[in-house]
Amino acid sequence: KAGVTQTPRYLIKTRGQQVTLSCSPISGHRSVSWYQQTPGQGLQFLFEYFSETQRNKGNFPGRFSGRQFSNSRSEMNVSTLELGDSALYLCASSLAGILNEQYFGPGTRLTVT
Amino acid sequence: AQRVTQPEKLLSVFKGAPVELKCNYSYSGSPELFWYVQYSRQRLQLLLRHISRESIKGFTADLNKGETSFHLKKPFAQEEDSAMYYCALKGLTGGGNKLTFGTGTQLKVEL
Repeated sequence: KAGVTQTPRYLIKTRGQQVTLSCSPISGHRSVSWYQQTPGQGLQFLFEYFSETQRNKGNFPGRFSGRQFSNSRSEMNVSTLELGDSALYLCASSLAGILNEQYFGPGTRLTVT
Repeated sequence: AQRVTQPEKLLSVFKGAPVELKCNYSYSGSPELFWYVQYSRQRLQLLLRHISRESIKGFTADLNKGETSFHLKKPFAQEEDSAMYYCALKGLTGGGNKLTFGTGTQLKVEL
């Protein structure tokens, strides 16, 4: 079974621009969560989508948004990029139900200059 | 609020020595605790979870609700155990799949 895939793997953007990251979950997985990983703050939860609905949200500003499509693929968008948004963005998918294991993707490395 | 604390950023041990990676948590409801591992140039992966009560790669962890701890232990460290280890918590009451991670402990096993 193919694992979680994320595209693109690397991205360089300029302050003020916006960016869209994509995550394809494991086939059959309906829950997709997003995390931001930085050296200073570690791994922080952004949001979770389940059946196209946001089920959970972390403490990030409104510039961070996401969505999920009917095939469970998910995108996250960051508008008006700031230097501090430079991070590794991880996506994780799991089967329905909160007792199921989450599987992580390789991440998208975003650099904001 | 949920919080996970891993007090050690780096833990260095010799091969064959016992390993204990510390994890303490704060959560008012019923938690599920996990240990995730990230080997060099690999993706984050689940090592073990407390509800499974199993040993993976020789590692075990017991949830101590009285001390709010979930320390990871292995009696004899191997070189291949060198990696970044993250303790994580998920709330079982209305928390969905949100994981709260600790800051991680880099384990280095020296020969």
